[in-house]
Amino acid sequence: AQTVTQSQPEMSVQEAETVTLSCTYDTSENNYYLFWYKQPPSRQMILVIRQEAYKQQNATENRFSVNFQKAAKSFSLKISDSQLGDTAMYFCAFMKFQGGSEKLVFGKGTKLTVNP
Amino acid sequence: DVKVTQSSRYLVKRTGEKVFLECVQDMDHENMFWYRQDPGLGLRLIYFSYDVKMKEKGDIPEGYSVSREKKERFSLILESASTNQTSMYLCASRGSGAQYFGPGTRLLVL
Repeated sequence: AQTVTQSQPEMSVQEAETVTLSCTYDTSENNYYLFWYKQPPSRQMILVIRQEAYKQQNATENRFSVNFQKAAKSFSLKISDSQLGDTAMYFCAFMKFQGGSEKLVFGKGTKLTVNP
Repeated sequence: DVKVTQSSRYLVKRTGEKVFLECVQDMDHENMFWYRQDPGLGLRLIYFSYDVKMKEKGDIPEGYSVSREKKERFSLILESASTNQTSMYLCASRGSGAQYFGPGTRLLVL
């Protein structure tokens, strides 16, 4: 069974600085997707970034980028120029396809606080 | 933008009541999902549906059922609510290779 591990339950960063959130996963699959989701205190879960396993290039979305190391099964999220609005729970997630349907497996989350 | 809506943000029910949680998406997505989110446990999949009238059990289906009569609507049903079903319930819809979530329903069962 796939598992996703986020080893940092809580982190904090100063506004305008850079922070990296860690995520490792365990799978025997070769084709899959990885995601980072953000859940601010308002509770709406928002997709931050997505990575296809077959792509070697790391995904980037504005201030958010990932470091995808397939052999090491590592998928970290880097947030540059942190803003107060980045304060949220961040969830790493893994998805593989199972014959037309799919299952998303989440880590337990990292609570990020951006301090002014 | 993908829009997933849930019928209630907060619900308070009594033990033994039948509870309906509704989810609607406006993007014609085929796949829809129900999760519950609990502190320290993360998100756990209850049920999902990959087409109208089709459903599959997730990791924790016990005590729940679902209904998908129309493509845009996916309902979660608690046949007889219990206190251990107090939780945050999140609905999601899949499109463009990712799942998109609704705002959540916080359910309290007394």
